Amino acid sequence: EITMTQSPATLSVSPGERATLSCRASQSVSTNLAWYQQRPGQAPRLLIYGASTRATGIPARFSGSGSGTEFTLTISSLQSEDFAVYYCQQYNNWPPWAFGQGTKVEIK
Amino acid sequence: EMQVVESGGGLVQPGGSLRLSCTASGFTFSSYWLHWVRQAPGKGLVWVARMNSDGSSISYVDSVKGRFTISRDNAKNTLFLQMNSLRVEDTAVYYCAREAYSTSHWYFDLWGRGTLVTVSS
Repeated sequence: EITMTQSPATLSVSPGERATLSCRASQSVSTNLAWYQQRPGQAPRLLIYGASTRATGIPARFSGSGSGTEFTLTISSLQSEDFAVYYCQQYNNWPPWAFGQGTKVEIK
Repeated sequence: EMQVVESGGGLVQPGGSLRLSCTASGFTFSSYWLHWVRQAPGKGLVWVARMNSDGSSISYVDSVKGRFTISRDNAKNTLFLQMNSLRVEDTAVYYCAREAYSTSHWYFDLWGRGTLVTVSS
């Protein structure tokens, strides 16, 4: 069973600055990785799949990279609506479809 | 507009049962795998169960095996989660999620707003 570990747990960033979130898999998941955003009180929203492909309607300031066991989500210039919790998820080996524990991006 | 809407949550005592529903609209329900994902208060996302498009293949997280049953009615565009022998630790918002496919990748592209299940005496 694959475990996903995200870091840091909380990231304090000023609006307009760059945010870099990390996700590590306990074994290789190739590029079978997705990122989701969850704003307070809302359902998760798909941002990235295939480690680097933006989902429909996702702004270009969101980018994903990595393969194997190390992955990164970068938000190039944080907007107010980007302050949220971000989850990575692997879909290489299932079940289960494992999520990371989340990284909260908060206003500095 | 494509959407899935969960219902059926509520307060139940430990050992009790509850049946959740997820009603879909705006897309061909019978073509998609569907999942239940839960989120305990203040915690992260945990995958719970999945059913393929025709109902012939099912998977569960170990913690709910033997207690929860996922099913679907493609004629009524509805996914179900029958939850029996509920425990305090099953308390969570339960989300229904659609799994989509594109260029060898599968991902959860459509989520409902969730329904809250509270297990407490």
